[in-house]
Amino acid sequence: GAVVSQHPSRVICKSGTSVKIECRSLDFQATTMFWYRQFPKQSLMLMATSNEGSKATYEQGVEKDKFLINHASLTLSTLTVTSAHPEDSSFYICSAKAPRSTDTQYFGPGTRLTVL
Amino acid sequence: AQSVTQLGSHVSVSEGALVLLRCNYSSSVPPYLFWYVQYPNQGLQLLLKYTSAATLVKGINGFEAEFKKSETSFHLTKPSAHMSDAAEYFCAVSGGNQGGKLIFGQGTELSVKP
Repeated sequence: GAVVSQHPSRVICKSGTSVKIECRSLDFQATTMFWYRQFPKQSLMLMATSNEGSKATYEQGVEKDKFLINHASLTLSTLTVTSAHPEDSSFYICSAKAPRSTDTQYFGPGTRLTVL
Repeated sequence: AQSVTQLGSHVSVSEGALVLLRCNYSSSVPPYLFWYVQYPNQGLQLLLKYTSAATLVKGINGFEAEFKKSETSFHLTKPSAHMSDAAEYFCAVSGGNQGGKLIFGQGTELSVKP
């Protein structure tokens, strides 16, 4: 149980294009999902908290117009990197908080974004 | 405010030796504490968690951790390291009115020598 998937696992795009990453909780409903960014050999940096049916809450310093988050259902959250640039290249990981879970988060396998 | 400090960014042990990864936390409220493992180019997998029940928590793959309030510690141990344990390990804390956010430590890379 508690499986979270991400798609795509790897994406290469040209500078200026937009990329959408999907995060799905496969066997549970998640009212709250989180999006992280991870640089090589570093810890996870929380970008935003996504709540089903409401606007995402972004961490300080994260551009909400650049990283669009939509949590349209209890099993799906999407992150769209708009007008991507090489500095947006990174490993993006989502997680889902299981209901009544004492804050336990289950993580997706991550998406490697490379912007050329 | 909450924070996590993992002592040692890199730990190296021999196969069969004891694994000890250190984690100290700071929290103004009773914490929930977690250990996650990350293999290269993958997401994080939950190893174990402390949620105010038993202070000695057993997890997957033979790992366990003990919550010590007096020492504000939640160190991860495994009696005998296996080559497959080589990975990055993250300690995390949550609790209080944080909306379920996890605060992660810097991570500890575990190497296992044959």
